[in-house]
Amino acid sequence: AQKITQTQPGMFVQEKEAVTLDCTYDTSDQSYGLFWYKQPSSGEMIFLIYQGSYDEQNATEGRYSLNFQKARKSANLVISASQLGDSAMYFCAMREAQLTGANSKLTFGKGITLSVRP
Amino acid sequence: GAGVSQTPSNKVTEKGKYVELRCDPISGHTALYWYRQSLGQGPEFLIYFQGTGAADDSGLPNDRFFAVRPEGSVSTLKIQRTERGDSAVYLCASSFLSGANVLTFGAGSRLTVL
Repeated sequence: AQKITQTQPGMFVQEKEAVTLDCTYDTSDQSYGLFWYKQPSSGEMIFLIYQGSYDEQNATEGRYSLNFQKARKSANLVISASQLGDSAMYFCAMREAQLTGANSKLTFGKGITLSVRP
Repeated sequence: GAGVSQTPSNKVTEKGKYVELRCDPISGHTALYWYRQSLGQGPEFLIYFQGTGAADDSGLPNDRFFAVRPEGSVSTLKIQRTERGDSAVYLCASSFLSGANVLTFGAGSRLTVL
């Protein structure tokens, strides 16, 4: 089974509107971390936001927020007030065994393409 | 350095040749990761170093792939007898092993095997 599922093939949003990018995950660990990265056409992976499985509040970083629904195993990224520079691929990723660090690798989803229209 | 540096940025080689890709992590980062990204896919884990030792090499696809980090800083990914299917972008990342343990990625090395 896939660990990280991103099924939206491509998303379009009007500039200044909000958009939600979906991510579901699969783990039997109680302790894990969830990450979102942005990859523009230049190719570099840019860290956006992190949510720990024990964090009670949804993470926020500027225009980015993470809608964490633990029971549903979903970690959707919300981008508010979209800008043209937000056009990129967006990847959801998970690290299991977060606290112990015993399994330190990130497992990535296939990504979602976001296009912001002027 | 200020960021993760990867060289070369582009490498074109012929099938069967040997290739080395280099990664210079952020100074002080103890953990170093190699990922491979094929077109239209997410990064796929290859290997992770903690200090000089490979803590997890479960993602290396076969014995043609090998990576070293002899002094706990710079790492080299080595690919022997390259095949066309090895064509991809090879990403390196580094991190402190603390807190959220956020990975900082380099710009990648694009490998094309003809």
